[in-house]
Amino acid sequence: DTGVSQNPRHKITKRGQNVTFRCDPISEHNRLYWYRQTLGQGPEFLTYFQNEAQLEKSRLLSDRFSAERPKGSFSTLEIQRTEQGDSAMYLCASSSQTGVYEQYFGPGTRLTVT
Amino acid sequence: GNSVTQMEGPVTLSEEAFLTINCTYTATGYPSLFWYVQYPGEGLQLLLKATKADDKGSNKGFEATYRKETTSFHLEKGSVQVSDSAVYFCALTPYGQNFVFGPGTRLSVLP
Repeated sequence: DTGVSQNPRHKITKRGQNVTFRCDPISEHNRLYWYRQTLGQGPEFLTYFQNEAQLEKSRLLSDRFSAERPKGSFSTLEIQRTEQGDSAMYLCASSSQTGVYEQYFGPGTRLTVT
Repeated sequence: GNSVTQMEGPVTLSEEAFLTINCTYTATGYPSLFWYVQYPGEGLQLLLKATKADDKGSNKGFEATYRKETTSFHLEKGSVQVSDSAVYFCALTPYGQNFVFGPGTRLSVLP
């Protein structure tokens, strides 16, 4: 069990560019979550997968954001036409279906949009 | 909608002092409740949880009791240590698909 991993750890991009982040959950976990966290705030839920199905998506999530989990293993989060307001830490978490919703978080990807 | 409110920090205590961090929530039904901790330079870690009314979650000397009548899940520890310095987040989920986190409370423990 190597824990949840995220890549890259840091990303600096110019406004208007597209970025993609990757999350590798704990191998036996079928639930995967994406969050956004800004300085001084708690994580804000973005979206949730059970296996390869995206079952929940925040109403606050812009159409510029899209997430996939094509084979029910790793997941990607893409942000198109980035804006300065997208600068944040993007967190991924996973959990098993048998646990009581106990999430294990990755270290996050810090995005800076200049 | 669902929401979590936490006491504002930072909270500064001397070592061995008693700790309470207040958390109240708004939710329909019976959500599961959690405390997560983020130590400096590290990712979020689950500290404790409770899934139904009157359940008490406990871990590493920390405790929290699920109080449905007051919609609260206050975090307590009888004697804090310098190593407890961290940011603490209260969170809930109605059924495991959508989690709501509070803003976090920063705790600093002085030797």
